[in-house]
Amino acid sequence: DGGITQSPKYLFRKEGQNVTLSCEQNLNHDAMYWYRQDPGQGLRLIYYSQIVNDFQKGDIAEGYSVSREKKESFPLTVTSAQKNPTAFYLCASCSAKNIQYFGAGTRLSVL
Amino acid sequence: GQNIDQPTEMTATEGAIVQINCTYQTSGFNGLFWYQQHAGEAPTFLSYNVLDGLEEKGRFSSFLSRSKGYSYLLLKELQMKDSASYLCAVRSDRGSTLGRLYFGRGTQLTVWP
Repeated sequence: DGGITQSPKYLFRKEGQNVTLSCEQNLNHDAMYWYRQDPGQGLRLIYYSQIVNDFQKGDIAEGYSVSREKKESFPLTVTSAQKNPTAFYLCASCSAKNIQYFGAGTRLSVL
Repeated sequence: GQNIDQPTEMTATEGAIVQINCTYQTSGFNGLFWYQQHAGEAPTFLSYNVLDGLEEKGRFSSFLSRSKGYSYLLLKELQMKDSASYLCAVRSDRGSTLGRLYFGRGTQLTVWP
């Protein structure tokens, strides 16, 4: 089945630790996105990538890093510099018709 | 910058019709999207308008007026399963923001029996 797979579904981070969230898609989409969602808030863009080996900062990139070495994969690292990482993280990819489709999300909590 | 406004909450009864409004101010407008998000789940795509007018898809319709910076999502024959948050998003294709979506905070719809 074609789709966007995020893993893990739940993740716990210890103080001072970096953690990496996985996002893989087999839809052959060029563009991929990472969003953060806090309770009662809209989706805020962290990073996005329109093509392999290129990515741009979104509105809240501080404390996060990404890579785009393969078309299918766009992992997000939450670094220790991100002081308030508890949130629901959503990965999306964009079709040729400009429609963004989302993975199931990763819920990150701090221990 | 981008500014997208939608009501925070709405309620309606089963079988009724509800209209969720969205107003926006953006540069490089290239489409308005509606997504449905159930609690604890990812958003799912509902509709996309790039030209003025009404797009109908089953029980859901979406309208766009670019000159007024206004859209609405119309839900007919409401069902309990329609209780969810409805997100309005605008695509901007200007310069460095090419391909970005800007999301409103969402409208939490509660459908009562």
